[in-house]
Amino acid sequence: DTEVTQTPKHLVMGMTNKKSLKCEQHMGHRAMYWYKQKAKKPPELMFVYSYEKLSINESVPSRFSPECPNSSLLNLHLHALQPEDSALYLCASSQAARWVEGYTFGSGTRLTVV
Amino acid sequence: AQTVTQSQPEMSVQEAETVTLSCTYDTSENNYYLFWYKQPPSRQMILVIRQEAYKQQNATENRFSVNFQKAAKSFSLKISDSQLGDTAMYFCAVTRGGADGLTFGKGTHLIIQP
Repeated sequence: DTEVTQTPKHLVMGMTNKKSLKCEQHMGHRAMYWYKQKAKKPPELMFVYSYEKLSINESVPSRFSPECPNSSLLNLHLHALQPEDSALYLCASSQAARWVEGYTFGSGTRLTVV
Repeated sequence: AQTVTQSQPEMSVQEAETVTLSCTYDTSENNYYLFWYKQPPSRQMILVIRQEAYKQQNATENRFSVNFQKAAKSFSLKISDSQLGDTAMYFCAVTRGGADGLTFGKGTHLIIQP
C-alpha cells in the first residue's frame, strides 16, 4: 500500500458545527503532516507529527485540533470555523530519517464553511 | 527559515516541445532536499523528481530532469517531449529533513497545447 487516504473528500459545515477530517497510511511512515491550501496558492504547513508526537504547530488557531491516535492515523478536529477557513486540506506522510524519499500526499478534503 | 521562488506564474508550450521551469531557493542548511511536485486539476500532489543537495549529479526520471546549481541555489525542472497530461501546477519545494515539512514556491501553471 503506497497511498495516503483522506476522508471525506468533500465537507460542508456550518460555523457552529464540529467535524473531523481523517488521514490514514499503511506505509510505515512515522512523520505525518497537515497542510492547508487555498485556491491558486501553495500548500501551507499547519501541523507535524513525528512518532505520534506533535512536533510542529505553525501558530494555527485553536479551532483546529490535531490528533495522532497511532502511527497510521491522523485526525484534524474542526470546531467553530470561519468562512475564511474554507480550503483544501492535505495530509502527507514521510519516512522518518529518509527525507530524500519525499512526501506522499493524500488527495485532500475540500472544506467549505458556510 | 527557507524560501523558494518560482518566477514564472504560467507557461504554455506545444505538445512534444521541451520546457524548463525555474526555481531558486534560499536556505542556511548544509544539507537539504529539493523536490518538484505536480498538482493536476484533480488536486493530488504527485512527486515528480527529487534531489539531495550533497549529490552533485542531476536527478532524472524518464522525461523529467533537473539542473541543480548548488552555488547559485537554483533547481530548474526540464520536461522533454511534453504531453497533454503534463498540464498541471508545478511546485518546487525544499526541506532540511527532520520532519520539518516542505516549504513550497508559489507554483508555475504549465499548459501543454495540442
